[in-house]
Amino acid sequence: EAEVAQSPRYKITEKSQAVAFWCDPISGHATLYWYRQILGQGPELLVQFQDESVVDDSQLPKDRFSAERLKGVDSTLKIQPAELGDSAMYLCASSLGGDRTDTQYFGPGTRLTVL
Amino acid sequence: DAKTTQPNSMESNEEEPVHLPCNHSTISGTDYIHWYRQLPSQGPEYVIHGLTSNVNNRMASLAIAEDRKSSTLILHRATLRDAAVYYCILRDSNTNAGKSTFGDGTTLTVKP
Repeated sequence: EAEVAQSPRYKITEKSQAVAFWCDPISGHATLYWYRQILGQGPELLVQFQDESVVDDSQLPKDRFSAERLKGVDSTLKIQPAELGDSAMYLCASSLGGDRTDTQYFGPGTRLTVL
Repeated sequence: DAKTTQPNSMESNEEEPVHLPCNHSTISGTDYIHWYRQLPSQGPEYVIHGLTSNVNNRMASLAIAEDRKSSTLILHRATLRDAAVYYCILRDSNTNAGKSTFGDGTTLTVKP
């Protein structure tokens, strides 16, 4: 069964450093999502792509976070500079489209710890 | 976005049915109800979704109230592997239909 791949699985960094996460969605999925999940809370959408275009980035802290999906396939989420409050799980998900009936398939996540 | 309300936690015995409730009193007529669950140290996974009628699949059943202001996820025979956080989500076609707004979910504990 096809899966969403993410790397790295774990990342430890010091505050003010730059970090990057990579996501490879299920082949053929046009919609890609990045979520942030703080321990004990549900995931929060950071950015949503439809192919290579951003559909929703209203919750993305744009002063330090950036996301791209240049060829409409895999995607990179970057944080620069990282802050202590960025410690969280970063989840990538994909779906065939952005319809309200579409199933979202999640990757295993990247656990970020900022020291 | 329409909001959902779920109990923080529930307990069940293994091999017994579990009914997980969700209130969504501000649901609009075109919102779909989705359920996802998150096992420990994993990303969320899809469970089931519906609009008005009750739905069944191999994992669970979804019972939707006639006025659609609440729904119940039913696990017919809980196993230890069903211990997870269960999220009830509304997908709104009027804004970003693909967006899933997660609450804090219900943590289900299954006792052997």
